[in-house]
Amino acid sequence: SQQGEEDPQALSIQEGENATMNCSYKTSINNLQWYRQNSGRGLVHLILIRSNEREKHSGRLRVTLDTSKKSSSLLITASRAADTASYFCATDASGNTPLVFGKGTRLSVIA
Amino acid sequence: DSGVTQTPKHLITATGQRVTLRCSPRSGDLSVYWYQQSLDQGLQFLIQYYNGEERAKGNILERFSAQQFPDLHSELNLSSLELGDSALYFCASSVESSGPQYFGPGTRLLVL
Repeated sequence: SQQGEEDPQALSIQEGENATMNCSYKTSINNLQWYRQNSGRGLVHLILIRSNEREKHSGRLRVTLDTSKKSSSLLITASRAADTASYFCATDASGNTPLVFGKGTRLSVIA
Repeated sequence: DSGVTQTPKHLITATGQRVTLRCSPRSGDLSVYWYQQSLDQGLQFLIQYYNGEERAKGNILERFSAQQFPDLHSELNLSSLELGDSALYFCASSVESSGPQYFGPGTRLLVL
């Protein structure tokens, strides 16, 4: 069964706006990762946040993690048309179990 | 470019046939993962190998098998193919099991 569930399933915004995607999960985690997938291509790792971290930044990306609510959010600031893609969260319950991916959020950034 | 290569890029075959998908991990990565991605099931983990040995198994059918060779490349064998096996198959590699995974471009399999 899926561990992470992204919300919303689809998001459409104008270029320059911020995009926020959320991920909820069910069990304790070691870390949570976000990936991007352009249509039909391989997933690209964006950012990893460990269970003892609350916030992490990478360029225009900001990820937060609330382990008490078992949720994470990915914020993309000043979005560009090139950010159009599907975004997946993946949870790592421990070093010996595989990552479990959610079904993703499809982001469309309209120029 | 993630450094992970997969061949072939596309594969069209008939039901009942057998195919082999190949993956070369990034240099230095000991872990290789296989995933299946279809429209209705999302990204499904199939199997993980670490330095030649099976490390974890997911929703992999008995008709599917995989192995990792001494040079660390991996092959995924799909046999007795069914229409429902049509999907994108991704290979990923990582340095450590709990770290970022680097995905290949995928093999698009179409079973007719």
